[in-house]
Amino acid sequence: EAGVAQSPRYKIIEKRQSVAFWCNPISGHATLYWYQQILGQGPKLLIQFQNNGVVDDSQLPKDRFSAERLKGVDSTLKIQPAKLEDSAVYLCASSLDPTWTQYFGPGTRLLVL
Amino acid sequence: SQQGEEDPQALSIQEGENATMNCSYKTSINNLQWYRQNSGRGLVHLILIRSNEREKHSGRLRVTLDTSKKSSSLLITASRAADTASYFCATASTNSGAGSYQLTFGKGTKLSVIP
Repeated sequence: EAGVAQSPRYKIIEKRQSVAFWCNPISGHATLYWYQQILGQGPKLLIQFQNNGVVDDSQLPKDRFSAERLKGVDSTLKIQPAKLEDSAVYLCASSLDPTWTQYFGPGTRLLVL
Repeated sequence: SQQGEEDPQALSIQEGENATMNCSYKTSINNLQWYRQNSGRGLVHLILIRSNEREKHSGRLRVTLDTSKKSSSLLITASRAADTASYFCATASTNSGAGSYQLTFGKGTKLSVIP
């Protein structure tokens, strides 16, 4: 079974630029999550999708972050404009449903200069 | 906000020894999960213990849960160099405000197993 795929693996941008991350979940997984993991901390949930609808985006900084999951499969997370404090690893995870085990992708490491 | 708090923050042991990590949390939970993260890689699910369970085993892993004390422990027996990683506890609970079921991670314990 293929795992959760993410791209790019690494990204370096300057502050105020925009950036987008892509995630392809495990086939058949209805629930998709985006997490932000700052160095030395645990992952923090940014947004949760059930199929193509948003279930929880309470911790998403909506003035600069946006996410979509078209057709209930792939998802993109965008930051516009980026700030220095957005430097982190962005992890995508998926699960069959919210109460099941989450499977994580390798993450995208973002550095904002 | 992060609910789970792991203790210790860092742990260094010799290969073959046992490693114990603890996790404390603040609110009621549906279940508690432990994850491992190797340097520069994604998280891997290790074990899930439900709120009505007290102990669970999986291979060299043993997890306990004490809901009265709001704490859990992860024991890795006969550690190997390959166990070197960060270990996170994650509490699963219902977010009544959003109507969602979500995981909240702690800051993790960094385990180093010396060959």
